[in-house]
Amino acid sequence: DGGITQSPKYLFRKEGQNVTLSCEQNLNHDAMYWYRQDPGQGLRLIYYSQIVNDFQKGDIAEGYSVSREKKESFPLTVTSAQKNPTAFYLCASTQRETSGYNEQFFGPGTRLTVL
Amino acid sequence: EDQVTQSPEALRLQEGESSSLNCSYTVSGLRGLFWYRQDPGKGPEFLFTLYSAGEEKEKERLKATLTKKESFLHITAPKPEDSATYLCAPLDSNYQLIWGAGTKLIIKP
Repeated sequence: DGGITQSPKYLFRKEGQNVTLSCEQNLNHDAMYWYRQDPGQGLRLIYYSQIVNDFQKGDIAEGYSVSREKKESFPLTVTSAQKNPTAFYLCASTQRETSGYNEQFFGPGTRLTVL
Repeated sequence: EDQVTQSPEALRLQEGESSSLNCSYTVSGLRGLFWYRQDPGKGPEFLFTLYSAGEEKEKERLKATLTKKESFLHITAPKPEDSATYLCAPLDSNYQLIWGAGTKLIIKP
């Protein structure tokens, strides 16, 4: 079955530690996204990538980094510079069109907690 | 500045009691509006896309409508399995989604 996988489901980080969240898709989508979800707030865009080896900052990129070496994979690293990383992280993908915009498909999420 | 407000924040209904959820937006150059359903601890699941004022789409007990300033998600005769958080997201002129905080819907049997 086609879809998006995220791992791990739960992640615990100690102060000063970098952690990497995995996102893989087998939908053959060009574009991939990382969002952060906090209680009572809408999803906030961290980074997005529309093509391999290229990515752009979203609204809250500080303290995060990404790479897009393969079409299927878009890992997110939460660095020690991110002061409040406890949140639910969602990865999404969509197929780009020359005109119009398709819906985004989401993975199951990773819940990150700072100890 | 683009803004999206969903109301109410939470809505409790009895099974079979119909109601509507609201998504009010101020978005420059609206290119469309998306509705998603999110169950606790899971990723959002796509429901509908609306592209122009006056458009309506239906899926089972759900119907989404769009005007120039807001969108409604109408739920008819809901069942407990319709309990979830419903998210709306207008698409702005730069093809960026602007996400609302969601309405948590609880359907009691």
